[in-house]
Amino acid sequence: EPEVTQTPSHQVTQMGQEVILRCVPISNHLYFYWYRQILGQKVEFLVSFYNNEISEKSEIFDDQFSVERPDGSNFTLKIRSTKLEDSAMYFCASSDSGVDTGELFFGEGSRLTVL
Amino acid sequence: GENVEQHPSTLSVQEGDSAVIKCTYSDSASNYFPWYKQELGKRPQLIIDIRSNVGEKKDQRIAVTLNKTAKHFSLHITETQPEDSAVYFCAASRAGSARQLTFGSGTQLTVLP
Repeated sequence: EPEVTQTPSHQVTQMGQEVILRCVPISNHLYFYWYRQILGQKVEFLVSFYNNEISEKSEIFDDQFSVERPDGSNFTLKIRSTKLEDSAMYFCASSDSGVDTGELFFGEGSRLTVL
Repeated sequence: GENVEQHPSTLSVQEGDSAVIKCTYSDSASNYFPWYKQELGKRPQLIIDIRSNVGEKKDQRIAVTLNKTAKHFSLHITETQPEDSAVYFCAASRAGSARQLTFGSGTQLTVLP
């Protein structure tokens, strides 16, 4: 069964450092997403991406965050200058449809720890 | 924006019993309500979803009900098995942003053998 893969599974970084989280969505999917879950809290939407541009973003997704699809397979989330409060599990997801059909497939997550 | 409340936060049932998890939402424009199961260290996986044009949907031992007037929806698991033990998340989204899901806080379900 095809699946969304994410790397790294866990990253530890110092506050102020840049971090790039990588995702390989399911190959025939066109819509890509990042969600995050701070330990013990809800899963929160960050951003959706379609046709090489951001479709929607939440208030969390400020200027410190950016997304990119650098090639035909990868989808990345960059945090320019990490803060302690960025520590969370970051989930990438993809779907073959951006409207009310189709399933949202999640990756296993990348745990980011900011010290 | 949308706010989704989920109860209970933890639920323990005996194997074979039923489990019910409830969620309420605030945005009357929400029209898509999925449920995800997340086992420890694994990804969230969709187990069932319902759209606002139906009131109930079943898939084997799992059912979801939706009350649009009251803005709440529930997950029902019958004949629970130990492998049902996981964290369950409800979510909601509105038309036009079907993948901007607002999640509930999760329910840790433990099925005791």
